[in-house]
Amino acid sequence: DIVMTQSPDSLPVSLGERATINCKSSQTLLYSSTNENFLAWYQQKPGQPPKLLIYWASTRESGVPDRFSGSGSGTDFTLTISSLQPEDVAVYYCQQYYNTPYTFGQGTKLE
Amino acid sequence: QVQLQESGPGLVRPSETLSLTCTVSGGSISSFYCSWVRQTPEKGLEWIGYISYRGTTKNNPSLRDRVTISADTSRNQFSLRLTSVTAADTAVYYCAKTSKWGEWYFDLWGRGTLVTVAS
Repeated sequence: DIVMTQSPDSLPVSLGERATINCKSSQTLLYSSTNENFLAWYQQKPGQPPKLLIYWASTRESGVPDRFSGSGSGTDFTLTISSLQPEDVAVYYCQQYYNTPYTFGQGTKLE
Repeated sequence: QVQLQESGPGLVRPSETLSLTCTVSGGSISSFYCSWVRQTPEKGLEWIGYISYRGTTKNNPSLRDRVTISADTSRNQFSLRLTSVTAADTAVYYCAKTSKWGEWYFDLWGRGTLVTVAS
């Protein structure tokens, strides 16, 4: 199985600040034939299901504010929130869909 | 607008079978693919398996042959069966939608249903 490791586990941030969450995979998620990285990011608020933010490592889902951006390739990826808003306080997860079983990171809690 | 809603018993006894249904509204199940994902505080998010409306399935090997995922186009529903449950199967269970074959990120999730395994 591909192991997804996020850092940090929790991230204290202030409103308006930049937040950066890292995700590292145990194997490459880059499919060389298409040059696509099979990585997604989700946001989960208490009592709610995860919500898709980013797929293909850097493509923003429709309706997601542009303060959210994804970057990285291969085994190292980053989710950046450029200017934290109150509604962004949540847990964030990365997920690989390169191989089954699809696996998730352990989550990063913005505090 | 497509919506997913999980339903099923909230309590299942050890060694019995967990059965859940994901009812789809606002669209046909023939237009997308469904995965089941569960979440626990201890293990986080765990992908259980997927199904296409044509019945093609793939399961997480960690669950061995305990998992059956099916689709009922007449009822516009997907279903999950997990046999021989233990306390370790206590979790919030989600159905999640994938729009394109091979692009297995989940662009819509149901609200989830908590299943507790206890006697």
